[in-house]
Amino acid sequence: QISLNESGPTLVKPTQTLTLTCTFSGFSLSTNGVGVGWVRQPPGKALEWLALIFWDDDKRYSPSLKSRLTITKDTSKNQVVLTMTTMDPVDTATYYCARRRYNIGWNWDYWGQGSLVTVSS
Amino acid sequence: DIQVTQSPSSVAASVGDRVIITCRASQDVSTWLAWYQQKPGKAPKLLIYGASNLQSGVPSRFSGSGYGTDFTLTISSLQPEDFATYYCQQANSSPQSTFGQGTRLEIK
Repeated sequence: QISLNESGPTLVKPTQTLTLTCTFSGFSLSTNGVGVGWVRQPPGKALEWLALIFWDDDKRYSPSLKSRLTITKDTSKNQVVLTMTTMDPVDTATYYCARRRYNIGWNWDYWGQGSLVTVSS
Repeated sequence: DIQVTQSPSSVAASVGDRVIITCRASQDVSTWLAWYQQKPGKAPKLLIYGASNLQSGVPSRFSGSGYGTDFTLTISSLQPEDFATYYCQQANSSPQSTFGQGTRLEIK
């Protein structure tokens, strides 16, 4: 049974740094061809890919947000952590972590339930 | 950056109808195109990958086709549980992935 679960603050102030943790089970992030990443969705808007970390610790970021994002993994704890600096109200969104796999065309096959983050003073 | 544009942005249909949603990529993505279904308050669900491959567990009334820049998602006979928002996503520039703006499928 594969599951992912996001955790972190629900409210952050402008200029603060957001730290979100994805804790997963049912698979290993040390398996070849597997990645875990983050996708966000502002209220009523479309999905936006943010960051991805691969089984071999390769890390990739959305070009438009690269300067603000850091993704890391702790394979022993089955966790992936995303930090986003300099938060702004436009960053208010539901943040999802999800698994991505090579053998389904590098698409996202399992998702967490999402974590709504509001940026407001 | 590769952009993907869906049409229509919303569509109203009835149970039993056949519905087609289209997705156009700004440049050739071969078959690196996927479709997701999202219901209100829920995470997206992968339906189709590689333009036409049905993800495990997805009903066969869903099908995908296309190559290059033009793709379609077809629901052959709408069921009540199919009313949702559908997103296409290109993965040709993987690991970058770009989602379309979504198509909302509503009950007529």
